[in-house]
Amino acid sequence: DVVMTQSPLSLPVILGQPASISCRSSQSLVFSDKNTYLSWFHQRPGQSPRRLIYKVSNRDSGVPDRFSGSGSVTDFTLKISRVEAEDVGIYYCMQGTHWPLTFGQGTRLEIK
Amino acid sequence: EVQLLESGGGLVQPGGSLRLSCAASGFTFSSYAMSCVRQTPGKGLEWVASISGGGGSTYYADSVKGRFTISRDNSKNTLYLQMNSLRVEDTAVYYCAKEGASESYGGMGVWGQGTTVTVSS
Repeated sequence: DVVMTQSPLSLPVILGQPASISCRSSQSLVFSDKNTYLSWFHQRPGQSPRRLIYKVSNRDSGVPDRFSGSGSVTDFTLKISRVEAEDVGIYYCMQGTHWPLTFGQGTRLEIK
Repeated sequence: EVQLLESGGGLVQPGGSLRLSCAASGFTFSSYAMSCVRQTPGKGLEWVASISGGGGSTYYADSVKGRFTISRDNSKNTLYLQMNSLRVEDTAVYYCAKEGASESYGGMGVWGQGTTVTVSS
């Protein structure tokens, strides 16, 4: 199975400051169609996960442009340019290239 | 608006069975693969199973293979997860998620609100 490793696991951030979460996969996530199926999700307390980013860097509709995704092959990053109060919660990366689909362990973002 | 509404969760004894449903609306259900993901209390997310838009292809996590069956009724816009031989470790919130296309997986662009399954004696 592809292991997704996120860091840090806990991320205290001051409002208005940037934040960055790393996600590393144990295998290349480049699929045979040349796409890289790496997504980012955000889960607020008591809510379902919501996808923010798909195929490494594509923002979902309604996702603020302060969120950006980057990376390739096995190393990926989610960046928040200026953290707002509504950004608290847990962030997960997920790979959709290999079966079984696997998630990172999650990064908890809190306001410092 | 795309909506997914799960139901069917509850308390069941080890070895018992439960069928979860996920009612879809706001999109052409048969044109999209669907996936089920679970989240154990205080833990992360675990993919459980996926099914193609037409229902002809199914995929399972090793932890549920042979015990769970994912299916769909496209005439009713509903996804099902039949769970048999339930174990304590199957206790979780179960989500259904809409994928990107009929044979596209790992996108999970829309999630339901989840339904809670508790396996306990």
